[in-house]
Amino acid sequence: DAKTTQPPSMDCAEGRAANLPCNHSTISGNEYVYWYRQIHSQGPQYIIHGLKNNETNEMASLIITEDRKSSTLILPHATLRDTAVYYCIVRDGYGQNFVFGPGTRLSVLP
Amino acid sequence: DAGVIQSPRHEVTEMGQEVTLRCKPISGHDYLFWYRQTMMRGLELLIYFNNNVPIDDSGMPEDRFSAKMPNASFSTLKIQPSEPRDSAVYFCASSEYRVAYNEQFFGPGTRLTVL
Repeated sequence: DAKTTQPPSMDCAEGRAANLPCNHSTISGNEYVYWYRQIHSQGPQYIIHGLKNNETNEMASLIITEDRKSSTLILPHATLRDTAVYYCIVRDGYGQNFVFGPGTRLSVLP
Repeated sequence: DAGVIQSPRHEVTEMGQEVTLRCKPISGHDYLFWYRQTMMRGLELLIYFNNNVPIDDSGMPEDRFSAKMPNASFSTLKIQPSEPRDSAVYFCASSEYRVAYNEQFFGPGTRLTVL
C-alpha cells in the first residue's frame, strides 16, 4: 500500500511556482522520499529524492519538514510542459521496487 | 543509449489469443520491472528481476501471466489466454543498483487492447 497522501489535483499559472504537497506521517528513519512524474501517455520520469535535507536539481526542489512527516516538491517556474501526474513515494534505501499511489494531477494554465 | 525499448507500442487482439510483450532494458542495468497501468487501478508493479532472476512476482494477477528474462538485454511478458480485462498500458522499466538512490527508467509502454 502507498504510504503517502497527496491532493488529487492542483492548478498552477504558467511561470509561477508550483508547490506540490505530500504527507508521509508514518515514514521511518531509513525511508527516502522520491518524486516521479508522468506526462500523458508516457512512462513515469524520476524527478528528485531526499532523506532529511532539502534537495535541489535542475528540475525541482524538495523541501522535507524537520519531523519528515511531510514534504513539498517545488517547480520554480512552471511551464505548460510540466502538466502531468506527480507521484510522491516513500521507500527504504535498500528496496528496489516502487509503489505508486494515485498522485497529484498538476495542470499548468496559460 | 536509446533508453528502455518496448515492442510493440500498440497491440490489438481478440479474447483468448496469446499476447507477448517485449522489453530491452538499458545496457548495464541489473534490475528490470514490469508494470501495468489502468484507469481503475493506476500503476501496479507486476514483477521484477535482478540479474535476470525473478525476485518478486506477487503482483502478477494470475497464472495467465508469465514473465521471463533469458538474458540481460531482453525480457518478455506473456498473457495466455488474454481477456478483455487485461486491456491496459504495460510499462517496462530498468535501473542500476545503488543503495538509497534508485532511478527507474521507464519505456514508452505497450498499449494492449483485448477485444
